[in-house]
Amino acid sequence: QSALTQEASVSGTVGQKVTLSCTGNSNNIGSYAVGWYQQISHGAPKAVMFGNSLPSGIPDRFSGSKSGTTASLTISGLQPEDEADYYCSTLDYSLSAWVFGGGTKLTVL
Amino acid sequence: EVQLVESGGDLVQPGGSLRLSCAASGFAFSNYWMTWVRQAPGKGLEWVANINQDGRDKYFVDSVKGRLTISRDNAKNSLYLEMNSLRVEDTAVYYCARHGQIEGYSYMDVWGKGTTVSVSS
Repeated sequence: QSALTQEASVSGTVGQKVTLSCTGNSNNIGSYAVGWYQQISHGAPKAVMFGNSLPSGIPDRFSGSKSGTTASLTISGLQPEDEADYYCSTLDYSLSAWVFGGGTKLTVL
Repeated sequence: EVQLVESGGDLVQPGGSLRLSCAASGFAFSNYWMTWVRQAPGKGLEWVANINQDGRDKYFVDSVKGRLTISRDNAKNSLYLEMNSLRVEDTAVYYCARHGQIEGYSYMDVWGKGTTVSVSS
């Protein structure tokens, strides 16, 4: 069981806006910034968002936010190439460990 | 180009040992925390261990404490994961990743392509 909770699956059509959520607690998301990682077809993960900062090369249709112990990744103007598994991650102070969510499979219809 | 390349994955019997390596290039390796993350077949990502810049501070997920150890050689721009007393449940693709920083917070900003460890009799 993951320390962070994500939807198992989300789907959307091309051009639509979709939001993925990641819920934790006061020891992790409530205390530290959240990273989001995209994994296409079980390839190497790639960082697509950290906090509300966009890593270099990531299109600006990706955005991030956080409210209390829940973080969100929003993709505005969904594209076919966005179909992937998305994982959230942050530092958990009580565990002294980095934790990941179980991942959300995003399907572009 | 910033790059991480893992190697050393293999098929090993339960109870066996293995040493994974991660070669870094394109950046000042000695300036960064480094981490290992694994992914079991059909499962999600799991953080395994990380190490600070000079190798003195190390942290591990509970399930590997006492069996896996992380180290680095800054002169060789290399990160290592020494794996002992391997179990079937250690079977996974192992990724090395760099910890970048934004506004004082750390995240895994660069990832390798991974190396596969299979533990089976």
